[in-house]
Amino acid sequence: RKEVEQDPGPFNVPEGATVAFNCTYSNSASQSFFWYRQDCRKEPKLLMSVYSSGNEDGRFTAQLNRASQYISLLIRDSKLSDSATYLCVVKRGGYQKVTFGTGTKLQVIP
Amino acid sequence: GAVVSQHPSWVICKSGTSVKIECRSLDFQATTMFWYRQFPKQSLMLMATSNEGSKATYEQGVEKDKFLINHASLTLSTLTVTSAHPEDSSFYICSALGGTSGSLDTDTQYFGPGTRLTVL
Repeated sequence: RKEVEQDPGPFNVPEGATVAFNCTYSNSASQSFFWYRQDCRKEPKLLMSVYSSGNEDGRFTAQLNRASQYISLLIRDSKLSDSATYLCVVKRGGYQKVTFGTGTKLQVIP
Repeated sequence: GAVVSQHPSWVICKSGTSVKIECRSLDFQATTMFWYRQFPKQSLMLMATSNEGSKATYEQGVEKDKFLINHASLTLSTLTVTSAHPEDSSFYICSALGGTSGSLDTDTQYFGPGTRLTVL
């Protein structure tokens, strides 16, 4: 089983729709969680950290479920500019071992 | 803040040559930098963790003698692909941890723009 798993998609959604992605992780010792966004042929950019209490940034909401070992990202009122690949990132250990998921591709359609 | 640069942004070289890629944190000091490789339509794969002033820690399956990493200062890490072959063609991305600057999250990686390497 992969340490971090994501549905690769693509998720094709119309503008204005709400879309949610999940990411599961296998190591219960994982400590920090992030969502990154990567546009085609570009470097990943931090979208948001994921806190135990959940966090929201505008149209984006991230949540962590430690019991079930998954994190989620909810995007409301999708924009065309949200089209990208969303990478789930899990960090564990004092070594700051970082593992990237394979990403979920989102395509927002006019 | 938190700008990371890479140089060069792309490079084409002949098989057998060595290529050096630089990763710089421009406005903060980074004791830890990471080097990743990404093949088309795949996720980033961590190659090694680079700590300033000490030897890099390589992930399983990454040849340390082929991918030489030097982190000589708090703002610069270099990756040298020695005797490059076509199968080394990839997108190489570095990242730096937020360091000790009060305005940066020390738990967050800040990525460089990547270097696209093509070996002919």
